Amino acid sequence: DTEVTQTPKHLVMGMTNKKSLKCEQHMGHRAMYWYKQKAKKPPELMFVYSYEKLSINESVPSRFSPECPNSSLLNLHLHALQPEDSALYLCASSLAGLNTGELFFGEGSRLTVL
Amino acid sequence: KNEVEQSPQNLTAQEGEFITINCSYSVGISALHWLQQHPGGGIVSLFMLSSGKKKHGRLIATINIQEKHSSLHITASHPRDSAVYICAVPAKETSGSRLTFGEGTQLTVNP
Repeated sequence: DTEVTQTPKHLVMGMTNKKSLKCEQHMGHRAMYWYKQKAKKPPELMFVYSYEKLSINESVPSRFSPECPNSSLLNLHLHALQPEDSALYLCASSLAGLNTGELFFGEGSRLTVL
Repeated sequence: KNEVEQSPQNLTAQEGEFITINCSYSVGISALHWLQQHPGGGIVSLFMLSSGKKKHGRLIATINIQEKHSSLHITASHPRDSAVYICAVPAKETSGSRLTFGEGTQLTVNP
């Protein structure tokens, strides 16, 4: 199994809603990532979990809250988002650091905030 | 100046042509990633390389560490190769957890 699975594929939410994005991998990877991607731009790193501990938070607003319940799962909890948060949210995983290992991406969750 | 620069930004080719996309970087690295993204879709890792050359099917990636330059070649291009190709390098100070991305090269292969 070389897949990173993200759900949902599409999400529309209002600014007062609470929703979650989910990501799952069964490759035994110990690093998991959340990226945000706007149209025609490269991905922007949001969070990195290494061995289920948050190791990087790229000064992301608190309306985005990551969670890593176990080594296979990564969630991104969304609350009180703004329309400018509309983007493609990509989850990724790697066996080790990116100096030595490839990055495996999911298909992404396309989020629209109304 | 961006740490990772790609050229060209846009490339249009006819089916069957040989394609080259270039990536230059300004920092010392131990590895470089080439990624592919189809419209509206997720990102696929094509190569991770730290020296020399790698080949996978019609794709070839080369890297010259001394010149801080990498190229991605596509032989016998096909319309299904149409995608954005992104070069990325790990930032050393984060033990390789943070990638610096190039702006991407939009490739269109016409039949």
